Amino acid sequence: DGGITQSPKYLFRKEGQNVTLSCEQNLNHDAMYWYRQDPGQGLRLIYYSQIVNDFQKGDIAEGYSVSREKKESFPLTVTSAQKNPTAFYLCASSPTSGNTIYFGEGSWLTVV
Amino acid sequence: AQSVTQPDIHITVSEGASLELRCNYSYGATPYLFWYVQSPGQGLQLLLKYFSGDTLVQGIKGFEAEFKRSQSSFNLRKPSVHWSDAAEYFCAVGATSGTYKYIFGTGTRLKVLA
Repeated sequence: DGGITQSPKYLFRKEGQNVTLSCEQNLNHDAMYWYRQDPGQGLRLIYYSQIVNDFQKGDIAEGYSVSREKKESFPLTVTSAQKNPTAFYLCASSPTSGNTIYFGEGSWLTVV
Repeated sequence: AQSVTQPDIHITVSEGASLELRCNYSYGATPYLFWYVQSPGQGLQLLLKYFSGDTLVQGIKGFEAEFKRSQSSFNLRKPSVHWSDAAEYFCAVGATSGTYKYIFGTGTRLKVLA
């Protein structure tokens, strides 16, 4: 079945460590996104990519990095510079600008 | 500024009762409009969307929404709520072209009483 796969579902990180969240889609969508979700704050855009080898910062990009080497893949690295990384992270994709956006099942990151 | 407002943070209804979740938006032009549902610890599932045409749109799970341009609203409705509808609901807007940014409301958490 077509969809968006995020892994791992749960991840624990020690302070000072970088971690990478995986996102793979087989929907042949051009655009991919990373959102952060905190209770009561809705979704906040971290990074998005319209095409391979190109990506743009969203509203809260500080402390995060991404790459888009393949159309299907858009991994997110949470660096040690991110001061409050404990959150629920959602990967998404859409065919084109403004079209319907579809979401993966999310990844929980906890700093211990 | 572009924004989406969901004025109700929590709503509680009895099973079998009707439901209306409110969504108001501020946007430079008529955007694309979406409603999503999220169960705890899960991703967002698309319920329905409005791009153009008939302002009353039908979605999955018996939900519908009505676009009212004059009120900048896109309220979600269901005639009879089931216990399985308990979840968080998000309204979102997207540009019709030129930008990949979507704006999400802060969500409405629905509780259903048996």
